Amino acid sequence: GQSLEQPSEVTAVEGAIVQINCTYQTSGFYGLSWYQQHDGGAPTFLSYNALDGLEETGRFSSFLSRSDSYGYLLLQELQMKDSASYFCAVRMEDTDKLIFGTGTRLQVFP
Amino acid sequence: KAGVTQTPRYLIKTRGQQVTLSCSPISGHRSVSWYQQTPGQGLQFLFEYFSETQRNKGNFPGRFSGRQFSNSRSEMNVSTLELGDSALYLCASSSGLADSYEQYFGPGTRLTVT
Repeated sequence: GQSLEQPSEVTAVEGAIVQINCTYQTSGFYGLSWYQQHDGGAPTFLSYNALDGLEETGRFSSFLSRSDSYGYLLLQELQMKDSASYFCAVRMEDTDKLIFGTGTRLQVFP
Repeated sequence: KAGVTQTPRYLIKTRGQQVTLSCSPISGHRSVSWYQQTPGQGLQFLFEYFSETQRNKGNFPGRFSGRQFSNSRSEMNVSTLELGDSALYLCASSSGLADSYEQYFGPGTRLTVT
């Protein structure tokens, strides 16, 4: 089946760097996306990797390696407002369905 | 441009009842997808509508249904509610084009079944 695994929780302090991994057991997808969701809020799009490699958007970077079946979201210069849940997601080529990862809750401490 | 809106935001129903949730996508977006979010199962895809046609369906029982209108607004319906249907129901809109990858989510409807 298709599954995207993420660590359930990650903690870090303000100013630090944190990496959230997404490992998958699926193939044939268009690209890897990342979404952020604050408690009580809606998921918001952060980044997209269509090809292998690193994509940088401000403090956030995302990486994809199809040969290693994994990707990650890198958050730098952490701020308290980064405390949220983060989801990776892929859109399958065969079904066109968007499949979400299990989600990672990031807690940033002062 | 206005974001995705969902109504109602909160809903309490009793087992056996039915419920209809509404979603208005971003202007110009033709694709609307629905998701169920629960603490235990995460974000689960329900279905996607594009130009009034169901383009995709997740692995949910037939009690879950939806439709899309000519103005792209979408509704989802859950009949014969069960306690396990308590969840946050999110809708997301996108252009629906082949190269589109970003989905814009609404605030969700939190459904509680008692």
